[in-house]
Amino acid sequence: DAGVTQSPTHLIKTRGQHVTLRCSPISGHKSVSWYQQVLGQGPQFIFQYYEKEERGRGNFPDRFSARQFPNYSSELNVNALLLGDSALYLCASSSVPTGGLHEAFFGQGTRLTVV
Amino acid sequence: DAKTTQPNSMESNEEEPVHLPCNHSTISGTDYIHWYRQLPSQGPEYVIHGLTSNVNNRMASLAIAEDRKSSTLILHRATLRDAAVYYCILNEGYGQNFVFGPGTRLSVLP
Repeated sequence: DAGVTQSPTHLIKTRGQHVTLRCSPISGHKSVSWYQQVLGQGPQFIFQYYEKEERGRGNFPDRFSARQFPNYSSELNVNALLLGDSALYLCASSSVPTGGLHEAFFGQGTRLTVV
Repeated sequence: DAKTTQPNSMESNEEEPVHLPCNHSTISGTDYIHWYRQLPSQGPEYVIHGLTSNVNNRMASLAIAEDRKSSTLILHRATLRDAAVYYCILNEGYGQNFVFGPGTRLSVLP
């Protein structure tokens, strides 16, 4: 079975540009979460979507937005890119919206470099 | 969000047991204890989780203190493939917003 797939794997953008990152969850999983991982740190929660509705939002500026499609795939959009947005962006999927009882499955991530 | 503290790094010899500690003194009654690990150039991978009782699975064991203020992830026989950053995370169970700290970098020596 295919795991969580993210595209693209690597991306280079210029300051001020916009970027869209994509995530396909494991088949049957309806929950998708996004995380940002800056080099040397643990992942930081950005958003969670379940059944196309936002279920949680981390402490990130409004330049960050996301959505989930009817097939449960998801997009993360970042506007007006800053150098500090350079990071590994991770997507995680789960069969349920709650994290306590169930594991989350992470993709390999998209490495975004802002120059 | 409840916080956890872990040693920055640990070292183990191959085929020996490894005990990775985690302190979570402010844990609430509804917080689940999760462990994930991240191998180089990969996304985090689920290891194990528990609430109050000790847990075992094919990858590891989780020992939870009686007062739940600390826990220990046990790898019974470390292999070179277990070299990774191990994260101890508390989750209240209502969402997927895992709060990752810096984790423990485990090195396994041949």
